[in-house]
Amino acid sequence: DSGVTQTPKHLITATGQRVTLRCSPRSGDLSVYWYQQSLDQGLQFLIQYYNGEERAKGNILERFSAQQFPDLHSELNLSSLELGDSALYFCASSVWAGQGWAEQFFGPGTRLTVL
Amino acid sequence: KNEVEQSPQNLTAQEGEFITINCSYSVGISALHWLQQHPGGGIVSLFMLSSGKKKHGRLIATINIQEKHSSLHITASHPRDSAVYICAVSSFTGNQFYFGTGTSLTVIP
Repeated sequence: DSGVTQTPKHLITATGQRVTLRCSPRSGDLSVYWYQQSLDQGLQFLIQYYNGEERAKGNILERFSAQQFPDLHSELNLSSLELGDSALYFCASSVWAGQGWAEQFFGPGTRLTVL
Repeated sequence: KNEVEQSPQNLTAQEGEFITINCSYSVGISALHWLQQHPGGGIVSLFMLSSGKKKHGRLIATINIQEKHSSLHITASHPRDSAVYICAVSSFTGNQFYFGTGTSLTVIP
C-alpha cells in the first residue's frame, strides 16, 4: 500500500458525459501528479500540482482540468468524454523538494470506461 | 518519434536467469526512473538515477549519460519478478515526464 488513495476504482460512463476522479496523497506529500495509461499510448503525464499550484503540464487535453485543494487532495475533471478517453488514470504523490521527479508513490488507479 | 525507447518489448525467461532491459532516450534529462507495474495494474517506483549505478536486492540499474542509455538488470530472476518494467525520464527543465512503452517480463518456474 503506497498510502495514495484514488476513488472511484472503476467508472463506466457514456460519451459526452463529465466525470471527476479523486486522489488523496500520502500524508506529508505536497506534490500530486496525474497520468493516463491507455492501451495504444502507454503512460502519459498529464499535470502536476504542488501545494495547490499548477507546476507542470503535459499532454492534458483542454477538455480535462485538475486542481489541488487546501487539504492537498486533488481532482481530475474529464468532460465531453470520448471513447478514446477510456484508460487507467493514475495519481502519484511526492514530497518534491526541487525540480523534476522526486520519488513518486502511485495510487491504485481509476479505470475509466467510456461507452 | 518517442523520446524514450525500450527493448525488448516482451521477454520470457526461466527462473534463475539474468535479465537485462534496455532504455534509450533522446532528450536532456534531470533523472531517469525505472518503474514496475504489476499484473493487477499497481505501479511501484524502483529506481531514480542521474548517474552511475544503483542496486536494490537483486535489481541493478545503470545509466550512461553520454550515450543516453540505461539498463535494468535482474539477477537470479524469480516468477514474482513477472511484471511490466517501464523506463521514464524527467526532462532537464524538470517539468516534463516521458515514458517508454514498457517491457513485459514473464519468468517461468
